[in-house]
This record gives sequence, structure tokens and C-alpha cells, in this order.
Amino acid sequence: AQKITQTQPGMFVQEKEAVTLDCTYDTSDPSYGLFWYKQPSSGEMIFLIYQGSYDQQNATEGRYSLNFQKARKSANLVISASQLGDSAMYFCAMREDYSGGSNYKLTFGKGTLLTVNP
Amino acid sequence: DAGVIQSPRHEVTEMGQEVTLRCKPISGHNSLFWYRQTMMRGLELLIYFNNNVPIDDSGMPEDRFSAKMPNASFSTLKIQPSEPRDSAVYFCASSFSWPGLEGLAGAFNEQYFGPGTRLTVT
Repeated sequence: AQKITQTQPGMFVQEKEAVTLDCTYDTSDPSYGLFWYKQPSSGEMIFLIYQGSYDQQNATEGRYSLNFQKARKSANLVISASQLGDSAMYFCAMREDYSGGSNYKLTFGKGTLLTVNP
Repeated sequence: DAGVIQSPRHEVTEMGQEVTLRCKPISGHNSLFWYRQTMMRGLELLIYFNNNVPIDDSGMPEDRFSAKMPNASFSTLKIQPSEPRDSAVYFCASSFSWPGLEGLAGAFNEQYFGPGTRLTVT
């Protein structure tokens, strides 16, 4: 089974609207971290937001928020007030803290390509 | 503050040639990672260094790949000889891990990636 599943290969959103990018994960570790990265067409990987498995509140960073539903094992990224510059590939990633000493590893999903239309 | 710096940004070489990719991590970070990104396989971790010491090189494809970290501010990934199937984007990333606590939950902070090196082997 895949550890990180991003079911939306592509998403479209109108400028200024909100969009939710889905991410589900699979782990039996009691402690883990979830990350979202943005990769624009220029190629760099930009860290956006982090959620720890024991965090009581959903993480927020500016226009980015993470809708963390632990029981459902989902960590969806919400982008509010979309901008043209948000058009990019978005990757969800997980770090498992008790995975046989490999707590430094990030497992990435396949990504969702977001296109923001003017 | 400068982020992770990689050079070159683009490299085109012929099969059989040696390729050296370079990385300067963020100052103060003690963990360094080399990744490879391809359409077919996505992002793969090649090797992980902690305090300049290679900890996990299980992702290195074969003996043609080698990586070094002679000091805290510099790392190289070398491919010798290069092959067309090595064509990919290679990323270097760095993060801070709490010294002595690397085996524990929450020891690793987020990873910051460099701009990547796009390697084309013809």
C-alpha cells in the first residue's frame, strides 16, 4: 500500500477562490509528521507547512492551512484566495518517527498539479 | 538568509563522462539529503548525512554513484561513468536535527530544498 496518496492528478481553481488539495496517508507509527511542498514550473521545492501528529490544532501559514483529520488519516492542504502564482505541483510528504530508525526519511506522494485561472 | 545552494543548475554531458553536483546547505543545519526526481519514480532519497557522516546510502542506485560531505558547508554527488538513465533532477536538501536525539520522535525539522540540478546525459 502506498504511504502517501494524492488522488487528484490535476486541479483547477479560479483566482481568488479557495482550493483543497487532498492527501491521505498510511502509517502505524503513533508519531509522525506531515508536510506540504510546492514545486513551481521553475523546479525548486518550496516548503509550505508542517503538521505533527500530536498537534492539537491545524497548522496555518498565511494563506495555507492544513485540514488534519487524524482518524481519517487525511492531511488536506487548503489554499485560500488563490493567486496566479499558486499554479504549481504540490506534494504531500510524511515522516514516520518510529520507522526502524529512519525517522529522517520523507515519503512523498505523486503530487497534484494546480492551475489557477484568471 | 541564503537557502540551499546547488550548482550547476543545468548539466548536459555525454554518456561515460563524470558528473559532479555540488551543494551548500543552510548554515546551522546538520542534516543533508540528496534526492533524485524523475517522472517515473517521483522523488527518491539517495543518501542522508548527519554531521557530515553518511548515515543511509541505501538509495544510491549503484556503485557509479558516490557522495561526500567533507565539511558542514559542502557536499558533492558524483556519477562516474554517467548513463542516459541517470538523466533527472537532483535535489539537495538540508534540515536541523536535535543533536543526540536523532533516533527519537520529532528530532528532525522540515527539510529545505535547493533549486535542483537538471542533469541530461546523452
